[in-house]
Amino acid sequence: SQQGEEDPQALSIQEGENATMNCSYKTSINNLQWYRQNSGRGLVHLILIRSNEREKHSGRLRVTLDTSKKSSSLLITASRAADTASYFCATEAAGNKLTFGGGTRVLVKP
Amino acid sequence: EPEVTQTPSHQVTQMGQEVILRCVPISNHLYFYWYRQILGQKVEFLVSFYNNEISEKSEIFDDQFSVERPDGSNFTLKIRSTKLEDSAMYFCASSVGEGGYTFGSGTRLTVV
Repeated sequence: SQQGEEDPQALSIQEGENATMNCSYKTSINNLQWYRQNSGRGLVHLILIRSNEREKHSGRLRVTLDTSKKSSSLLITASRAADTASYFCATEAAGNKLTFGGGTRVLVKP
Repeated sequence: EPEVTQTPSHQVTQMGQEVILRCVPISNHLYFYWYRQILGQKVEFLVSFYNNEISEKSEIFDDQFSVERPDGSNFTLKIRSTKLEDSAMYFCASSVGEGGYTFGSGTRLTVV
């Protein structure tokens, strides 16, 4: 798989449920970031976790990072219809450029 | 909260024409980037710019593309002789360094 691959590719849940998506990558990184993109719109930065961190929280978001497995997960708790979007992981290595995964499309049904 | 501003939001151009996509990065940021996203595909890195020169570019960023910071505030991406496959959303981003990215809302380029 390529650097920054998410699974599942699509996720459909009921409002109030939790949504979990995973990201795998291949090379060493300085940090891993998660972004949200509403249909046809810009990228909104959600959270960044550094390579020496294992877990981070921001509001209803929880991110984990396992550098030994080269994987990360994003958990959105108590989902809302407004959380409907595509979620992308992006890894940052030396040079500051981001390498994005293919994204997970999340549909939260009211 | 500071924003990265991109103009226009949508541009339609004839194949073979040149387009210039404009971006105003956050004023105290030092690194500037262009990314693109073809519909339904991944966001792809095009180029990074630091200290008034290109610091890294991808294979996509060939001689058809160029970037410029003409006046200390704007950051532009020029695409010469556009092709149908250049149709995509183009995102500008800026950062202070590692981790501090801010993306613009994008310019949707449609080549017809």
